[in-house]
Amino acid sequence: GAVVSQHPSWVICKSGTSVKIECRSLDFQATTMFWYRQFPKQSLMLMATSNEGSKATYEQGVEKDKFLINHASLTLSTLTVTSAHPEDSSFYICSAVDPGTGYNEQFFGPGTRLTVL
Amino acid sequence: AQSVTQLGSHVSVSEGALVLLRCNYSSSVPPYLFWYVQYPNQGLQLLLKYTTGATLVKGINGFEAEFKKSETSFHLTKPSAHMSDAAEYFCAVRGSGNTPLVFGKGTRLSVIA
Repeated sequence: GAVVSQHPSWVICKSGTSVKIECRSLDFQATTMFWYRQFPKQSLMLMATSNEGSKATYEQGVEKDKFLINHASLTLSTLTVTSAHPEDSSFYICSAVDPGTGYNEQFFGPGTRLTVL
Repeated sequence: AQSVTQLGSHVSVSEGALVLLRCNYSSSVPPYLFWYVQYPNQGLQLLLKYTTGATLVKGINGFEAEFKKSETSFHLTKPSAHMSDAAEYFCAVRGSGNTPLVFGKGTRLSVIA
């Protein structure tokens, strides 16, 4: 299957700082990527849909000014957590849609664990 | 709109016993259905998926699931549990096109020696 990478795999930052997480499709071009958030012992919740060359679509309750998403190329989407606070500590997972699979299969990255002190 | 209900947040079975994790879905369009496994502090691993065709789907590690449209179910089974199967399992649904996956709340599987 196709491979999606995320960087970094984990990050610890101080409250008030910004953190950028990268999601890359390594062997296919993804016009659409999704960002999910998973709090401890909970399920994955969709944060936003990222489309190459256009503004991201955010789910209800997700602050677009806090979670900046940029999908500047067909293989890279970035999520920037601005002015991070301890309540933003979570596991962030991206997925990328491979249009070449026939049914737009989504492949998940390994996730990024963010801890805000 | 789609949604998934996983019955039982925690299932415990003995090693060698049958594993049955229940998943019911709601979808206004023909669904694509998935089961993922997540080990502690790790990402998601795809176990199996149903898109079209055969309703009994076989996946990795001996797992299988059957799509039953009349029951709107996609239960996950494995004939004989192994200690290494202990993990969190997520059922997910999506429609066609570039629609995101919608996940159930997850079921934690414990395997007792």
